[in-house]
Amino acid sequence: GIQVEQSPPDLILQEGANSTLRCNFSDSVNNLQWFHQNPWGQLINLFYIPSGTKQNGRLSATTVATERYSLLYISSSQTTDSGVYFCAVEGLYTGANSKLTFGKGITLSVRP
Amino acid sequence: DTEVTQTPKHLVMGMTNKKSLKCEQHMGHRAMYWYKQKAKKPPELMFVYSYEKLSINESVPSRFSPECPNSSLLNLHLHALQPEDSALYLCASSQVIRTLRSTGELFFGEGSRLTVL
Repeated sequence: GIQVEQSPPDLILQEGANSTLRCNFSDSVNNLQWFHQNPWGQLINLFYIPSGTKQNGRLSATTVATERYSLLYISSSQTTDSGVYFCAVEGLYTGANSKLTFGKGITLSVRP
Repeated sequence: DTEVTQTPKHLVMGMTNKKSLKCEQHMGHRAMYWYKQKAKKPPELMFVYSYEKLSINESVPSRFSPECPNSSLLNLHLHALQPEDSALYLCASSQVIRTLRSTGELFFGEGSRLTVL
């Protein structure tokens, strides 16, 4: 099946700093999502981005499908950005029972 | 506010109990999912319902029994669980994009945190 690798595994930032989170995947995809899991466990949709670039406030994401990676940018980080960021992908050729494969996540801690 | 609602938020049960987790969505989605998540791990897919029919069962033990009474509701019936089944159980929903055979954008509920004693 498709492999998903996220880096770095852990990230510590001072409030106000910018950061880039990376997701590499091993095959062509028809679905890529970024999620933020807050300390209470809720998984929040950030972006549905199988290709191209999107922005939402301080967050933006870019997926370069031909090179099999996606980047999540966080600008002017806030303590509420802390949590785990997951990238999840769905392979293009997985057939009728396709499903999302999650990376291991990136744990972000933003210090005040 | 999440548009996928899960109840209860917390559940403690003994190994001989029977309980159920419930999930409801009102986004008109026709695919619904159960995931299990252990601490510091990504979510693991358990079951997928597409158009109210079970389409994926990821070899989950029979002590977990899913049910999809209609397109808005998804239940997970629990019986004779083991302490290692303690985890966060997440429900999700999505549109079904048949032309791409794709999951579509997935939306999660807040989760039900289960402790088995």
